[in-house]
This record gives sequence, structure tokens and C-alpha cells, in this order.
Amino acid sequence: LAKTTQPISMDSYEGQEVNITCSHNNIATNDYITWYQQFPSQGPRFIIQGYKTKVTNEVASLFIPADRKSSTLSLPRVSLSDTAVYYCLVGDKQRNNAGNMLTFGGGTRLMVKP
Amino acid sequence: AAGVIQSPRHLIKEKRETATLKCYPIPRHDTVYWYQQGPGQDPQFLISFYEKMQSDKGSIPDRFSAQQFSDYHSELNMSSLELGDSALYFCASGPRGSGELFFGEGSRLTVL
Repeated sequence: LAKTTQPISMDSYEGQEVNITCSHNNIATNDYITWYQQFPSQGPRFIIQGYKTKVTNEVASLFIPADRKSSTLSLPRVSLSDTAVYYCLVGDKQRNNAGNMLTFGGGTRLMVKP
Repeated sequence: AAGVIQSPRHLIKEKRETATLKCYPIPRHDTVYWYQQGPGQDPQFLISFYEKMQSDKGSIPDRFSAQQFSDYHSELNMSSLELGDSALYFCASGPRGSGELFFGEGSRLTVL
């Protein structure tokens, strides 16, 4: 099962772009990369998911290099309300979401300052 | 859009008592997941159901059990409660194979 490693914490300022990198050296062929955001006392919220190259939606971009051993979540022009914990999950979503796709561990605590 | 509904939102119990949490998934989502999140901890996967059958099992204590009913709602039953069971319990639902979980607002259990 692919293990993920993220920085424990990051600081940024309003209006800056924030990039959070997740390492997953033993990612499997069928594994997808999914990112969630969690505010205190709230359930995690899906941000973005990808398999390779680049995925972009209205809130973030996900960059995945060709070897897929890491991925970078990019948040453009962060605001104070982006202060949260960000989790990277890696797993085979076709296997009924089993395995590491269900495991939240070692997220990155992002603090956005004014 | 309808979201995952959990009840009760807050629950206070004494040690050794029993508690039941309920979860109503988003309509047409065929998979339900339960998570436990202690203070300052990451969400820990407990158990999941697909089409009313248990699908995956995580770090769920033997004192806990769960099931999914014919109307797709799920219940998490916790017996012989311990102080360490005090936590936020999240239910999530999702379409099978999407890899995307939609979480409810959680049920906060306090064991005194």
C-alpha cells in the first residue's frame, strides 16, 4: 500500500500561491491521488483528484510528474479562509475505495496570515 | 444539494453506557464510511459498507458495531463506552469507484 509523506505545517500570506507536495514513492499502477481539506471540527472536504499530469478545477490544481512518485497541490492566491489541514490520499479507487484511499494520515497544517 | 446527515450532533454519555449514531447518506450514493477523529488527531477509518454489506474494516474496536439498512442509512453502535471514545465521529458517503468521499458534519461524543 502506498504510504504518503507531507510537510507537517506551512505558513503563507494572503494573496500568495501555496504549493503542498506529497511524496508517495511506492504508488501502484492503479492508484489515484486525492486531496482533502479539513477545517477544525468539520468533516474533510474533497478538493481534487488526479492520476497523472495536471488536473485543475475551480479551487486548485494538482501536478503529478511522469513517475507519479509525488504530487503537488497548488492553491492560487490563498485567503485567510484557506487556513486548514490538507490531506493527500493515494489508493485504487476502483477497488471499492479500499486500502489507503480511506486513510487520512499526516496532513499538512496550512496557516495563512494577513 | 443534499448532504450527508448525521444525528445526533452532540451526545454525552457516562462510562460503560451505550451510544448509537445515525447517518443518512446522499441519495444514490451506494457506499457509506465511518470515521473517528479524536482531539488533535487525523480521521481514523472505522468501517465501510457497500450496498448494505460490510465492505472494509479499519481500526474499529470490538465494542463497536455498525450496519447499513435497506433505506441506506447506517448506524454505528458503541457499547461499554470508555473515556477514550470521546471524539468526533464522521460519516461519509460516495459513489462506488469515484474515490470521492462526502462527509457529514459529524457527531461529537463526550464520555464522562
